[in-house]
Amino acid sequence: QKEVEQNSGPLSVPEGAIASLNCTYSDRVSQSFFWYRQYSGKSPELIMSIYSNGDKEDGRFTAQLNKASQYVSLLIRDSQPSDSATYLCAVKSDTGRRALTFGSGTRLQVQP
Amino acid sequence: DTGVSQDPRHKITKRGQNVTFRCDPISEHNRLYWYRQTLGQGPEFLTYFQNEAQLEKSRLLSDRFSAERPKGSFSTLEIQRTEQGDSAMYLCASSLGQSREKLFFGSGTQLSVL
Repeated sequence: QKEVEQNSGPLSVPEGAIASLNCTYSDRVSQSFFWYRQYSGKSPELIMSIYSNGDKEDGRFTAQLNKASQYVSLLIRDSQPSDSATYLCAVKSDTGRRALTFGSGTRLQVQP
Repeated sequence: DTGVSQDPRHKITKRGQNVTFRCDPISEHNRLYWYRQTLGQGPEFLTYFQNEAQLEKSRLLSDRFSAERPKGSFSTLEIQRTEQGDSAMYLCASSLGQSREKLFFGSGTQLSVL
C-alpha cells in the first residue's frame, strides 16, 4: 500500500465547473497536509495547506481534511483552462520522517 | 530572485560519468531537501539537511549518491558512476523548519543519462 494515494486521472471537467481531487494516506500520525500544483515541465508550487479537520478556503480553492478517514481533498471552483495541471497531495508526520511524502498526482484537464 | 535556485537546469551525461548539482535555498530557510521525480510520479524524498547537518537519508539514496551542505547555505548533490535509471528531475526544496513547515521548490535539474 502506498503511503499517499491519488487517482492518476486524467480528471476532465468543463470550464466553470467544480473539480474535486481526492487523496488518502496511510500514516495515522500525519499532521500536516499540502496540495501542490505542477504544470508540465515545471516544479511543484504550493497552493494549499491544511492541518485541522474540516474545510479551509482560499479563493477558488477549498481543502478538506478528515483525519478519522485519513482523507484529504481539494475542490477547485469555477475551474479555468489555466488550472489544467497535475495536483500533488503531500503529507507530513511530526514524528519519524520529517520530510513530505507525495502522492503520484492527479492530472486535471479543464475543457474550454 | 529570492526563490530556490538550482543549477544546472539540464544535464546530459554518459553512463558511468559523475555529475554534481547545486541548490541555493531561500536565504532565511534552514532546512533543505532533495527529491527525485520521474515522469508520471510524485517527488520521491532523497535526503534533507537542518543547517549543515544531514538528518535523514532515504533508502533510495544508494552509495553512489552523496549530498553536502557545508556551511548551512547552498547544497550539492553528487551522483557517481551514473546509470540510465538515474535519469530524472532532481528537485531541491527549502523551508523554515518550523512546525507546519511549508516546502518551496526550485525549478529542478533534469538529468538525462545516455
